[in-house]
Amino acid sequence: GDSVTQMEGPVTLSEEAFLTINCTYTATGYPSLFWYVQYPGEGLQLLLKATKADDKGSNKGFEATYRKETTSFHLEKGSVQVSDSAVYFCAQLPNTGNQFYFGTGTSLTVIP
Amino acid sequence: DAGITQSPRHKVTETGTPVTLRCHQTENHRYMYWYRQDPGHGLRLIHYSYGVKDTDKGEVSDGYSVSRSKTEDFLLTLESATSSQTSVYFCAISGAGTYNEQFFGPGTRLTVL
Repeated sequence: GDSVTQMEGPVTLSEEAFLTINCTYTATGYPSLFWYVQYPGEGLQLLLKATKADDKGSNKGFEATYRKETTSFHLEKGSVQVSDSAVYFCAQLPNTGNQFYFGTGTSLTVIP
Repeated sequence: DAGITQSPRHKVTETGTPVTLRCHQTENHRYMYWYRQDPGHGLRLIHYSYGVKDTDKGEVSDGYSVSRSKTEDFLLTLESATSSQTSVYFCAISGAGTYNEQFFGPGTRLTVL
């Protein structure tokens, strides 16, 4: 069935370090892919999305490329800031329905 | 920000009591969802709605019921709350179409003693 797997956390990085959070998906078709961010005490916010193969989503210095051949959508940022500390969720929306599938979330802490 | 509100934002209740959580949207979106968030489990879908009076079960629907009598309101009811239902509950909405992202409410923290 449809699912999303993302790397386990927590992840701790120093400010200005490079970030990668891995995400892979299982789908019967060609889903839309999303990264959401959750700051403490808040709901999830959309960070970026990609709707077809080879699309690159980007926002606030974060990027992720939809790779059909490896069924992946890894999140990257070249230089993290303390304000990026949050929980990041990868998600997919199959092209056959309106039920979203979320990964379990990856907690990121950035230290000065 | 998408217009989604949840009420109450915090609630403490006792085992065996009924509880109703409300989600209200001002976006006129067709789809509404209820999730629970627990450590180690991420987000799990409880129920969702694809229109007024049209609902379906998610992966963790046991012990929960929902109702949607108006486009803007989606209610989640715990008929007889149990301690295992202590969680943070999120409502989300989305428009029709396969490219549309979900927008989330601020969450309700429910504690069942």
